[in-house]
Amino acid sequence: GNSVTQMEGPVTLSEEAFLTINCTYTATGYPSLFWYVQYPGEGLQLLLKATKADDKGSNKGFEATYRKETTSFHLEKGSVQVSDSAVYFCALSYNNNDMRFGAGTRLTVKP
Amino acid sequence: DGGITQSPKYLFRKEGQNVTLSCEQNLNHDAMYWYRQDPGQGLRLIYYSQIVNDFQKGDIAEGYSVSREKKESFPLTVTSAQKNPTAFYLCASSIIGSGETQYFGPGTRLLVL
Repeated sequence: GNSVTQMEGPVTLSEEAFLTINCTYTATGYPSLFWYVQYPGEGLQLLLKATKADDKGSNKGFEATYRKETTSFHLEKGSVQVSDSAVYFCALSYNNNDMRFGAGTRLTVKP
Repeated sequence: DGGITQSPKYLFRKEGQNVTLSCEQNLNHDAMYWYRQDPGQGLRLIYYSQIVNDFQKGDIAEGYSVSREKKESFPLTVTSAQKNPTAFYLCASSIIGSGETQYFGPGTRLLVL
């Protein structure tokens, strides 16, 4: 079945460091891919998405490229801030009712 | 502002008690979803609905029930049959379609007394 595997955390970085959170997927067909962010005690917010191979999603300095050949959708940011501290979820959706989430990666950014 | 609201923010359940979590959206979305989130884990689908008066079981529906009497509302009842209800519950909505974005509410944390 469809599934998502993302790197385990927690990840701790200093402010202005480069961030990569790995995400790979298993799916039949061509799913849409998403990154969501969750701040403490809150729901999930869409960070970015990509709907087809080679698409790049971007938002707030974060980027991820849909790589069909490696079935990956790694999240990157060139310079993290303390305010980026949160849990990040990779997800895929093939049919509307079947969104699959990774386990989440907790990021802590220290000043 | 359009969005999804969930209430209450915290909910306490006693042994043998049914409790109901509210979810309302004004985004005019046809599809609504309930997820359960446990610490350190991803989200697991409990129920979803794509049209009024119709809903489908997700991966972990046992011990839960839902209704969809109005397009805007999708309440979740955690019944006494759910033996481990302590979790963070998230409601989401989306338009109907393949690969569409789901939009989430702020969540309800359920605790057992």
